[in-house]
Amino acid sequence: DVQLVESGGGLVQPGGSLRLSCAASGFTFSTSDLHWVRQAAGKGLEWVSSIIVAGDTFYSGSVKGRFTVSRENAKNSLYLQMNSLRAGDTAVYYCARAGGNHGWYAFDIWGQGTMVTVSS
Amino acid sequence: ENVLTQSPGTLSLSPGERATLSCRASQSVSSSHLAWYQQKPGQAPRLLIYGASSRATGIPDRFSGSGSGTDFTLTITRLEPEDFAVYYCHQFGSSPTWTFGQGTKVEI
Repeated sequence: DVQLVESGGGLVQPGGSLRLSCAASGFTFSTSDLHWVRQAAGKGLEWVSSIIVAGDTFYSGSVKGRFTVSRENAKNSLYLQMNSLRAGDTAVYYCARAGGNHGWYAFDIWGQGTMVTVSS
Repeated sequence: ENVLTQSPGTLSLSPGERATLSCRASQSVSSSHLAWYQQKPGQAPRLLIYGASSRATGIPDRFSGSGSGTDFTLTITRLEPEDFAVYYCHQFGSSPTWTFGQGTKVEI
């Protein structure tokens, strides 16, 4: 089965850190662009970060300098290191893939999401 | 930053009716960079349309996308009960960045 499975979410205090993981299976991970998207409760989707095949990384303005995205092709895994967490980072975090049959600009595979709660 | 504005915020329709959802960009978007997603409560988004008008694998032909430049439309020709959900448009922009619209809820 083609799938992405996130893990690593949980409750963390403001200013703390958390590392999310996303395990891929069923497709060629190394030739896929990978993305993190988050969704606060009752809100819309917000792009967070991306890492493309070439290894270049990109971040939204709201997380730049605090979050770091990385990938380990040998393990078919994507990561998001989140530092200096704030209450506004509270959301479900999804990993997603682009670069399959639907081109490089649409996210055609999504994980089920992992919940991150930043609260004291 | 290219802002995507979806309208209406909520669309109240009945099964069998036609739904027309709008996505307007503050700057021109390449058609190849525009996608639509469906999201149901408690689920991850699902890709419906990519390249503004191409249906993703397994998407029924009652879903269609159109538009260019700054105005894009998602049309559902005959609503089925399972189509009641929130729909998001999405674009790839310069920098690069990826942007979502705020969503349109299609409700009964």
